[in-house]
Amino acid sequence: DGGITQSPKYLFRKEGQNVTLSCEQNLNHDAMYWYRQDPGQGLRLIYYSQIVNDFQKGDIAEGYSVSREKKESFPLTVTSAQKNPTAFYLCASSMQLSGANVLTFGAGSRLTVL
Amino acid sequence: AQRVTQPEKLLSVFKGAPVELKCNYSYSGSPELFWYVQYSRQRLQLLLRHISRESIKGFTADLNKGETSFHLKKPFAQEEDSAMYYCASKYGQNFVFGPGTRLSVLP
Repeated sequence: DGGITQSPKYLFRKEGQNVTLSCEQNLNHDAMYWYRQDPGQGLRLIYYSQIVNDFQKGDIAEGYSVSREKKESFPLTVTSAQKNPTAFYLCASSMQLSGANVLTFGAGSRLTVL
Repeated sequence: AQRVTQPEKLLSVFKGAPVELKCNYSYSGSPELFWYVQYSRQRLQLLLRHISRESIKGFTADLNKGETSFHLKKPFAQEEDSAMYYCASKYGQNFVFGPGTRLSVLP
């Protein structure tokens, strides 16, 4: 079953703790993305990676970090420096389809800071 | 910065009525535009792309470069169309999303 797997689905964290969200894809996509979804704000790009061992900051990268050591994996770490980390996080990957990149999304991870 | 706007947070229509979800973008080049949909308890998924000029589930969207718009339309709404709809624009390697419109189709 091809697709994107995010884990955990729900995560609770105490203030001051770092937490890592997992994102794995078996679609053989080169590009991977992390978005944050907040009500009324749509999806905001945190980080993206076009190729292994390379990644770029998105619009709201402060307080987050990523790595891309393998093509299939793009974990996101929410650090204690992130001021408002409670949110729904979506991972996505993209392929070329008929000349247009198309995003495929995971099911998401909901992080709650207590 | 690239922006995608969707002026309606919530749109309610009756079953069988026409529906139009508005989307405007800011981009001076040749944009790639998309509509994504998220049904209840399902993943966000692609609905349609402007480049393919296709109709999916009865929905169409036409790119109007003069008005920088990419409105989503369906002539007769169905209850199963109730969902959250996001307009998105691709520039470079990034995708920019609008804030979304929740469509509620009433019986």
